[in-house]
Amino acid sequence: DVKVTQSSRYLVKRTGEKVFLECVQDMDHENMFWYRQDPGLGLRLIYFSYDVKMKEKGDIPEGYSVSREKKERFSLILESASTNQTSMYLCASSSIANPSYEQYFGPGTRLTVT
Amino acid sequence: AQKVTQAQTEISVVEKEDVTLDCVYETRDTTYYLFWYKQPPSGELVFLIRRNSFDEQNEISGRYSWNFQKSTSSFNFTITASQVVDSAVYFCALSGLTGGGNKLTFGTGTQLKVEL
Repeated sequence: DVKVTQSSRYLVKRTGEKVFLECVQDMDHENMFWYRQDPGLGLRLIYFSYDVKMKEKGDIPEGYSVSREKKERFSLILESASTNQTSMYLCASSSIANPSYEQYFGPGTRLTVT
Repeated sequence: AQKVTQAQTEISVVEKEDVTLDCVYETRDTTYYLFWYKQPPSGELVFLIRRNSFDEQNEISGRYSWNFQKSTSSFNFTITASQVVDSAVYFCALSGLTGGGNKLTFGTGTQLKVEL
């Protein structure tokens, strides 16, 4: 079974803090993704990566950066957290860059910025 | 640009009723893939089904069935004899060559509540 794990289920941070969200997959997948989920907006892609040290912006990259130093790990970084980044963050992975392949999701991190 | 519309924000049914979740999509790709995911209260999205644009056969899996119609750009999902365990948010998603790789465009989701 594919396993995608995220470092925290719930996180509370203060405005201006630097926040790291970690994601690890154990199936040797090339692709990894970060989404945020907000009520009424569905899932929106923040960043994705097709290989180690490679990254591409998604639809809403502003205020975020990512790091992929190892194939199994993809980190999302909020350089200076703001209240409008309060959201559910979901990490996903998939085997290759083929549109037919489904993505496998982690359990999500609910981040609150106060 | 790709777009997925799930017009039903929330649906409530009584157990054993049939329910259909609607999904309408827009894409300029001739080859594309449609997906349904389930998000139970635990939060993790679970893959349910994938359909490619060249295969319009309907599919049935137990109490679940999917109706793909290219003529109306729809990929609807029906649960027969719904159960309380079906309560979840359901997302329809689309991927195609335009987006690059297998980036998914999601709809806004439909919250299904099945009550006793």
